[in-house]
Amino acid sequence: NAGVTQTPKFQVLKTGQSMTLQCAQDMNHEYMSWYRQDPGMGLRLIHYSVGAGITDQGEVPNGYNVSRSTTEDFPLRLLSAAPSQTSVYFCASSYRDRGLETQYFGPGTRLLVL
Amino acid sequence: AQKVTQAQTEISVVEKEDVTLDCVYETRDTTYYLFWYKQPPSGELVFLIRRNSFDEQNEISGRYSWNFQKSTSSFNFTITASQVVDSAVYFCALSDRGKLIFGQGTELSVKP
Repeated sequence: NAGVTQTPKFQVLKTGQSMTLQCAQDMNHEYMSWYRQDPGMGLRLIHYSVGAGITDQGEVPNGYNVSRSTTEDFPLRLLSAAPSQTSVYFCASSYRDRGLETQYFGPGTRLLVL
Repeated sequence: AQKVTQAQTEISVVEKEDVTLDCVYETRDTTYYLFWYKQPPSGELVFLIRRNSFDEQNEISGRYSWNFQKSTSSFNFTITASQVVDSAVYFCALSDRGKLIFGQGTELSVKP
């Protein structure tokens, strides 16, 4: 298993550009989520999904869109990048089985918006 | 509302000292999960421990130990005989159906 993969690892955008951060998992996990990490703020939930075709907003959803057409993929789209979206983005997947929940994180994507 | 509070923003200790990182959480759920993660300077999130809400047994893993107390909604993490390699940011998190609510993190600096 590759676990949770994220691409790209690093990206520079100009204000107003759009892009998609890719996230994929090969563990057949039902839950997937996106977080952003800013200095001194910890990780904050952007969007999450409890299964294919089901998504919902987290704490900081503005400026981002998601879709979950398959169990494996959960892309995060920046519609019109702003400097405030400069951050490190983490994707995670998880499942619950027999009273245990296990979370897996991708390696992160560093995004710089100029 | 669900919330995780890590009141200690930064802690600095000298190698071989014991150190405890505090975590207090709020939730109305009766079933929930608590996690601790380590984020070294390289940036990845390293899973340390998971605890279910119905399992209050404390756990020890080498130099690491965790104290889970539902009565005080706390899930504290102790490193015994700290080492320089323990220097990192540590996050406590509460899970709600796959969503994690993170504390703000505690930056631990272990000096030789």
